[in-house]
Amino acid sequence: GESVGLHLPTLSVQEGDNSIINCAYSNSASDYFIWYKQESGKGPQFIIDIRSNMDKRQGQRVTVLLNKTVKHLSLQIAATQPGDSAVYFCADRSSGSARQLTFGSGTQLTVLP
Amino acid sequence: ETGVTQTPRHLVMGMTNKKSLKCEQHLGHNAMYWYKQSAKKPLELMFVYSLEERVENNSVPSRFSPECPNSSHLFLHLHTLQPEDSALYLCASSQEGGNTEAFFGQGTRLTVV
Repeated sequence: GESVGLHLPTLSVQEGDNSIINCAYSNSASDYFIWYKQESGKGPQFIIDIRSNMDKRQGQRVTVLLNKTVKHLSLQIAATQPGDSAVYFCADRSSGSARQLTFGSGTQLTVLP
Repeated sequence: ETGVTQTPRHLVMGMTNKKSLKCEQHLGHNAMYWYKQSAKKPLELMFVYSLEERVENNSVPSRFSPECPNSSHLFLHLHTLQPEDSALYLCASSQEGGNTEAFFGQGTRLTVV
């Protein structure tokens, strides 16, 4: 069945270093992908998205890479800051199910001083 | 004012109680969702409303009853819940018709005792 998974449940990085969070998906029909950030006690917040006709998209300090060949998605955070500590979720949407996002279980990012 | 507002933020209820969770979105979206978030699990989609009509119900027990009186409001009525229903319940909204992200509320932390 369809699944969206993250490679590591936890990731610790030094402040100022770059972070890379990875995600694998299984549905070949997925055509839209999103990264969310969830801080403790809050709902998920949108970070960046990418459509399947792209392989890279950049935002402010964040970059999402999409490799459709191996069904892999990554989120890169440049110059990681303490405020980046949170759980990060990837999600995908199938072109055949326009309403439903499928979420991974999340990676806890901890930024060390 | 945030785009998606949920009340209450915290709720403790007994197994024989009846309570309701409320969600309001101020984004002009035409689709609203209820998700359940349990510890160390991916977000689970419970219900989807599109243009005030329920379009998905992902095998949710009948002790959870959604209501969408208009495109801006969504309720989740709870009755005779079980302790395993304790979780963070998240409401989200989006604009259907294209690949756009869902916006989440802060969630209601529900504890069933």
